[in-house]
Amino acid sequence: NAGVTQTPKFQVLKTGQSMTLQCAQDMNHNSMYWYRQDPGMGLRLIYYSASEGTTDKGEVPNGYNVSRLNKREFSLRLESAAPSQTSVYFCASSGGLNHNEQFFGPGTRLTVL
Amino acid sequence: QKEVEQNSGPLSVPEGAIASLNCTYSDRGSQSFFWYRQYSGKSPELIMFIYSNGDKEDGRFTAQLNKASQYVSLLIRDSQPSDSATYLCAVRGSARQLTFGSGTQLTVLP
Repeated sequence: NAGVTQTPKFQVLKTGQSMTLQCAQDMNHNSMYWYRQDPGMGLRLIYYSASEGTTDKGEVPNGYNVSRLNKREFSLRLESAAPSQTSVYFCASSGGLNHNEQFFGPGTRLTVL
Repeated sequence: QKEVEQNSGPLSVPEGAIASLNCTYSDRGSQSFFWYRQYSGKSPELIMFIYSNGDKEDGRFTAQLNKASQYVSLLIRDSQPSDSATYLCAVRGSARQLTFGSGTQLTVLP
């Protein structure tokens, strides 16, 4: 039981490049989330998916797209990376008996040059 | 005004002391309140949640909620060096999603 996994752990991009961050959970959770964390700003919600087949914008969705591929997987895509997207990205999931608790993946540290 | 504000810190306490972490929120419709602990370079982990006014105790941790004053706090008794981390307050508001504060960095000095 791996919980929430994310790939890659680290990534360096040049401005304008694209990439996809992958997230998977094996807890049979319905809801999944993508956050970014910047120094002094806490966690900010980018997109979330309340259930398979649905996605919604969070607080800071500009410059990102998401895909809920199936119940297990939720990916985040940067189409044209910008230096302002340098951050640590966390995926989380929630569901089960205590649907309020969000379980976080280990994070992806992304640098855009 | 930020939706969720935490005392800025950093906060240092000696080992064995009580650490007090505070959080205020702006959405009066908020129903659920959470405290996450995040060690440096790691992901957040849930340590407490509280829904009702009053105190909720779990081991050395006590969460306190006052909806009328719109604040929630976390007390850590008998603080240990292993409690040194950043503590994030999170609030589930009317929009049903979690809003996080910017965190308070706690250092427990041996």
